[in-house]
Amino acid sequence: AQTVTQSQPEMSVQEAETVTLSCTYDTSESDYYLFWYKQPPSRQMILVIRQEAYKQQNATENRFSVNFQKAAKSFSLKISDSQLGDAAMYFCAYIRNTPLVFGKGTRLSVIA
Amino acid sequence: GAGVSQSPSNKVTEKGKDVELRCDPISGHTALYWYRQSLGQGLEFLIYFQGNSAPDKSGLPSDRFSAERTGGSVSTLTIQRTQQEDSAVYLCASSLGAEGWEKLFFGSGTQLSVL
Repeated sequence: AQTVTQSQPEMSVQEAETVTLSCTYDTSESDYYLFWYKQPPSRQMILVIRQEAYKQQNATENRFSVNFQKAAKSFSLKISDSQLGDAAMYFCAYIRNTPLVFGKGTRLSVIA
Repeated sequence: GAGVSQSPSNKVTEKGKDVELRCDPISGHTALYWYRQSLGQGLEFLIYFQGNSAPDKSGLPSDRFSAERTGGSVSTLTIQRTQQEDSAVYLCASSLGAEGWEKLFFGSGTQLSVL
């Protein structure tokens, strides 16, 4: 079974600084999708960024970018110019066929 | 509505009671998922509905858990004879289709507390 591991239960970053959240996954498939979701205190999960495994180029969305290392099965999220509104739980997720498999999350604190 | 709606937002019940949790997906979304989020844990898959196909119930933790989706829209998750370990946030999500790359739209969840 596919598994997703987030080894950092908690992280903190100074406002305006850069932080990287780690994620590794286990799969024998070659074609799949990876996601980062954000969960603020409202509990509603919000898609941050998505990566197709067949694409070599790392996905970017404004201040958010990923470092996708397919051979290493690593999918880290970099948040640049961190803002107070970035404080939340961040979940890494994998999908080949439904359902989406999530890691246990990383709680990110942003220090003013 | 504009988003996925779940009710109630919070539910407190006594051990042994039955509870029903409701999810209204985004109109037109054919796929609907239920996940459970326990304290300090990630999201645990429970059940998945896709159109008129038989649901994928592989994540349901016991036969006390069941779910249905009426008319391809609203879904109800039922937990019978609740136990304290059932306390968690139950999240519902929907997507336009069942392709792997589809973006999931989540509701705000139901916080279930079993006393």
